[in-house]
Parts: sequence; C-alpha cells; structure tokens
Amino acid sequence: DTAVSQTPKYLVTQMGNDKSIKCEQNLGHDTMYWYKQDSKKFLKIMFSYNNKELIINETVPNRFSPKSPDKAHLNLHINSLELGDSAVYFCASSPGHGELFFGEGSRLTVL
Amino acid sequence: SQQGEEDPQALSIQEGENATMNCSYKTSINNLQWYRQNSGRGLVHLILIRSNEREKHSGRLRVTLDTSKKSSSLLITASRAADTASYFCATVSGSARQLTFGSGTQLTVLP
Repeated sequence: DTAVSQTPKYLVTQMGNDKSIKCEQNLGHDTMYWYKQDSKKFLKIMFSYNNKELIINETVPNRFSPKSPDKAHLNLHINSLELGDSAVYFCASSPGHGELFFGEGSRLTVL
Repeated sequence: SQQGEEDPQALSIQEGENATMNCSYKTSINNLQWYRQNSGRGLVHLILIRSNEREKHSGRLRVTLDTSKKSSSLLITASRAADTASYFCATVSGSARQLTFGSGTQLTVLP
C-alpha cells in the first residue's frame, strides 16, 4: 500500500488556468507538507499543516493555497497559473519529530 | 534562504568504491537528515543524526556530524550501481517542524 499518494503524477496546462493536486497519507501522521522542486532539484517548503496550525512560507504567492478536508489529506490549489510555476510538487507527511515520508511527486508543466 | 549546501554537486565513481558527500549548514540544528532521490521519484529517508550525536551507521551508510563546523558527511561504502541517485541533507532547527533541504549531490556509480 502506498503510504503517501498524490495525483495526478503529470499535469500539463495553460497559463492562467486553475489546477489542483491531491495528496493522501495512510500513515496516521499529524503533519503534512507541500514542497516545490525546481529544475535544479532545489527543494523549497511551501506549507506545513497539522490539525492545529498552518505554516505558510512567506515567499509562496497567495495564488497557492492548501486545503485539508481531514487529517489524511492535504490538497494544493493553484490559481492563475504562471510559467514559473512549472516544477515538481511533492507532498510529504511526518509524525512530527523526525523523518518525512514523501509522495512520488506531481510534475506540473505550464505552457 | 537555503540552509544546507552539499558538496560536491556531482560525483562519479566506480562500483565498489566509497562515496563521500558533505553538507554544510548555517544555523544551529536539532537534527540533520539525509535523503535519497532516484530519478523521477520521491525522496526516501536514509538516516537521522541528532545534534548531540557525532556518528551514526546504517548498513553501508555512515554519517558524521560536526556541530562546531556546522557540517555533516555521508559515506556510502562499497557502492553499487543501484546507489546512483541524488542525495540531500536536510536540517531541523529550533521549534520548527519543517525540514530545510540542501541543494543535493548527484551520485553516479558506474558498473
């Protein structure tokens, strides 16, 4: 069984569109994250979220918004997509004090 | 800003040789972790070393931590072609639950 699963794996869309990436974890972890990996493989944290607290990296544009319907899900919504949003987006979860468990990534290409 | 910097950016060795990757960071940490990322895949946790530890082993992996120099090294002994991947260090600082990743080392093990 996949511990952290995210869909879709690939997403190709036009500038200006709105899109969502879904993430689910079956590990019972309290904390979930979204990371963005650019073409040089640099990983930047975008959000961390648990039942009580959402921490937003202040450099993330407000076109990006996380939505958590429950503890096992943290979806990423992106409005008005721009060329620079093209990247691989990783969802991850953690019990809160150690290692992260990553999904396989969602490659977003904005044309 | 980027917390960790891996060195070298790329490393190519023959199967059976040892591979050493280094990571430097800027602020005090609670722990430091190493992750592996195979091409097109998510990151996989390898090992965690706490700030009060100096060395840790896991199978063919050996991690050292020098908090006075704010640096860590990852040694992979008797490398195999399957070890070909990108390796990232990541740090946790203060009360933050967020991992901050370095820029990664691309390791290529030639058969």
